[in-house]
Amino acid sequence: DTGVSQDPRHKITKRGQNVTFRCDPISEHNRLYWYRQTLGQGPEFLTYFQNEAQLEKSRLLSDRFSAERPKGSFSTLEIQRTEQGDSAMYLCASSLEAGVLTDTQYFGPGTRLTVL
Amino acid sequence: AQSVTQLDSQVPVFEEAPVELRCNYSSSVSVYLFWYVQYPNQGLQLLLKYLSGSTLVKGINGFEAEFNKSQTSFHLRKPSVHISDTAEYFCAVSDRRSDYKLSFGAGTTVTVRA
Repeated sequence: DTGVSQDPRHKITKRGQNVTFRCDPISEHNRLYWYRQTLGQGPEFLTYFQNEAQLEKSRLLSDRFSAERPKGSFSTLEIQRTEQGDSAMYLCASSLEAGVLTDTQYFGPGTRLTVL
Repeated sequence: AQSVTQLDSQVPVFEEAPVELRCNYSSSVSVYLFWYVQYPNQGLQLLLKYLSGSTLVKGINGFEAEFNKSQTSFHLRKPSVHISDTAEYFCAVSDRRSDYKLSFGAGTTVTVRA
């Protein structure tokens, strides 16, 4: 396994710009999760997918946030009209499938966003 | 709803000394518990997990944790730490009702000094 990968690792943008992050899960992992981590806090759940279906998006922070997983493999997280408060680490995780024995989540290295 | 409280935000410790990181959770259903470690500028790595069975769980790098249902705790321990254990440690909880989504504590920063 090559592990979960995320791209880019760092992104600096100006307020008002749109940004898109990519996550490639471990192959054959059906579930994919997005979390946000701000300084001094634990990761906060944003949204997740089972294959290409987005199971919950109510925890996305505002309507400026959206995520897709079009073919059930990689996923993208987009933030439109970025604000300084969006500065954070965005983490992606994947797991094999739902179930107590199989849903251990493996995390990628994260994308650190800085909004100037 | 689940929640996790990590009782210590920072734990300084000398090399080769023992360390304990405290974690308490709240949930109205059966839970699954995890400890993750995060090294600087990296993602989270799973240290250990409790799903069922024995309440003493052994993980990687010499860490272990004990699930105590009556005290709703899942404290992490290591009998002798190394400089390389300097990192941030997160306790997390999930359950079937939440469809296994993780809820994390705020983290404990462990700094190991020579």
